[in-house]
Amino acid sequence: QQQVKQSPQSLIVQKGGIPIINCAYENTAFDYFPWYQQFPGKGPALLIAIRPDVSEKKEGRFTISFNKSAKQFSLHIMDSQPGDSATYFCAASRDSNAGNMLTFGGGTRLMVKP
Amino acid sequence: ETGVTQTPRHLVMGMTNKKSLKCEQHLGHNAMYWYKQSAKKPLELMFVYSLEERVENNSVPSRFSPECPNSSHLFLHLHTLQPEDSALYLCASSQERTDLYEQYFGPGTRLTVT
Repeated sequence: QQQVKQSPQSLIVQKGGIPIINCAYENTAFDYFPWYQQFPGKGPALLIAIRPDVSEKKEGRFTISFNKSAKQFSLHIMDSQPGDSATYFCAASRDSNAGNMLTFGGGTRLMVKP
Repeated sequence: ETGVTQTPRHLVMGMTNKKSLKCEQHLGHNAMYWYKQSAKKPLELMFVYSLEERVENNSVPSRFSPECPNSSHLFLHLHTLQPEDSALYLCASSQERTDLYEQYFGPGTRLTVT
């Protein structure tokens, strides 16, 4: 099963709030879990990524929490700003000799109100 | 030019037309990808080329025909498309067989089929 399920589909928070986006996967062969951020008119850009040997990774205001036993991972945005308003995609990948195959979640449209 | 570029940025075509989308990566990568992004399926992998050989098709209709003449260029040839093919077509590249799974995306071509 290659599916990655992402929730919620949309999210509205006030400036300074902590939006949380969740993803769940089925394939235990996945070994790389990135989050991509996409602004209107742009392609997705890598935000932060984690491997299953750690439970948490922080980069600036962005944190990934990873629960290997539950096959779930989430993105937290600390002190959210209006400039964080974008669509966020989680993804999962497995080691492959045929390209780095990413399976994407359905996306979450985040709006941060001033 | 840096990163991944795509031309044209916008394309309107009739169902009987033939057109091509172009992607160029300036990152020295050896794998390139075509994705379709629409409201129904936000990021859908279409084709993967690794070391200039196609390794993934993902059951894409034959009216889409990819071409990868070298590791820096990728084309998507379009013919007799349907209105439901209207979407944002994204190109991406990565460096295969390293510890780095990151895919770098271009800005996309917004395709409208009339």
